[in-house]
Amino acid sequence: GAGVSQSPSNKVTEKGKDVELRCDPISGHTALYWYRQSLGQGLEFLIYFQGNSAPDKSGLPSDRFSAERTGGSVSTLTIQRTQQEDSAVYLCASSLGTAGTRGYTFGSGTRLTVV
Amino acid sequence: RKEVEQDPGPFNVPEGATVAFNCTYSNSASQSFFWYRQDCRKEPKLLMSVYSSGNEDGRFTAQLNRASQYISLLIRDSKLSDSATYLCVVIGGGTGNQFYFGTGTSLTVIP
Repeated sequence: GAGVSQSPSNKVTEKGKDVELRCDPISGHTALYWYRQSLGQGLEFLIYFQGNSAPDKSGLPSDRFSAERTGGSVSTLTIQRTQQEDSAVYLCASSLGTAGTRGYTFGSGTRLTVV
Repeated sequence: RKEVEQDPGPFNVPEGATVAFNCTYSNSASQSFFWYRQDCRKEPKLLMSVYSSGNEDGRFTAQLNRASQYISLLIRDSKLSDSATYLCVVIGGGTGNQFYFGTGTSLTVIP
């Protein structure tokens, strides 16, 4: 696609429920990142996928968080047994290749609210 | 210690003013540097890359000082539309190819 697409754009869920967030990166982009941003805070790295390599999961805050990237394209971030502190905007970004001079492009995010 | 640190501001400047932001990074092996802009409740968008030789894009000038490990962004002739949060981003030097974001500097340009 022309840009990074994320769905849903907004999600309200009850505490304890599981949620799935989807990211469809720019076609041909091999690198995909998940970040989250709490209200008024900076971006917190969650996980990074690069091609067929094992993902860098070092930013996942707990074992309730997991992510997959199928076929090197679409990625799903799953949060199990959601807690109120999981409320944030979850941003996905993709880039062409590895570290380079082009930065990466963000999707518009999924705003998750846990009530 | 944080990988990237920025003064959160806020910076409130009148239209037409010149304003500069600095950002320091901790890992001397860092390789690439960027400035992103984030409008309220929107995703960050790439503003410009930062090169050792410095680079300019219209009213915006970005510079890198490797010796002191900081990058800067200068905005001349500020416009109301420049009001946003400016994030500095550092890549490389850590594990993988993770981008390290500063927490952002808030700028408000006042009429």
